[in-house]
Amino acid sequence: AQSVTQLDSHVSVSEGTPVLLRCNYSSSYSPSLFWYVQHPNKGLQLLLKYTSAATLVKGINGFEAEFKKSETSFHLTKPSAHMSDAAEYFCVVSPRAGTASKLTFGTGTRLQVTL
Amino acid sequence: EAGVTQFPSHSVIEKGQTVTLRCDPISGHDNLYWYRRVMGKEIKFLLHFVKESKQDESGMPNNRFLAERTGGTYSTLKVQPAELEDSGVYFCASSQDLGDLQTQYFGPGTRLLVL
Repeated sequence: AQSVTQLDSHVSVSEGTPVLLRCNYSSSYSPSLFWYVQHPNKGLQLLLKYTSAATLVKGINGFEAEFKKSETSFHLTKPSAHMSDAAEYFCVVSPRAGTASKLTFGTGTRLQVTL
Repeated sequence: EAGVTQFPSHSVIEKGQTVTLRCDPISGHDNLYWYRRVMGKEIKFLLHFVKESKQDESGMPNNRFLAERTGGTYSTLKVQPAELEDSGVYFCASSQDLGDLQTQYFGPGTRLLVL
């Protein structure tokens, strides 16, 4: 079985400051991990994914995440927040890399960006 | 290339009525998934089709929900009769059958409100 814990339900940052959204996972296998973003009234967009290759993964819009097996973490970061980053972010685990199977979602972190 | 599309975008029905949601996956994607997010909760898996076959339907909440994928192309999810607790956002996703199997591409969702 797998699970995902997003440690913060809400994060607020000022524009131009770093973003850190925290995620811890649990999986019985070697998982694939994803971050998806949902802007208001929009669908889910893939930000980035880890699928057992490089542990530092770069995504769209300047986001990146680092897979740390020893800490079972996959935190999402961005050096400088932009107003357009305000959205809800989901950390997601797929149980076994290389297979097509259901995703398990975290509860989401709502990112607020202030001027 | 067209993404995953869902219809309708919104639906408001009364308790006891029937609603059918439709999902068109990305062309050529054999894997099709349904998820839903009930208000205030996390996004949860409902079921997974591989072509026209149900690979995993462990997330279907009860027998009021019926999913079909005749011909292995688009899929429908019917709720009959609808209950208040069925309100939420229903997402569809699809993924390839070769190569990158794990990456699921999501549609914009159908927002269902049962009154």
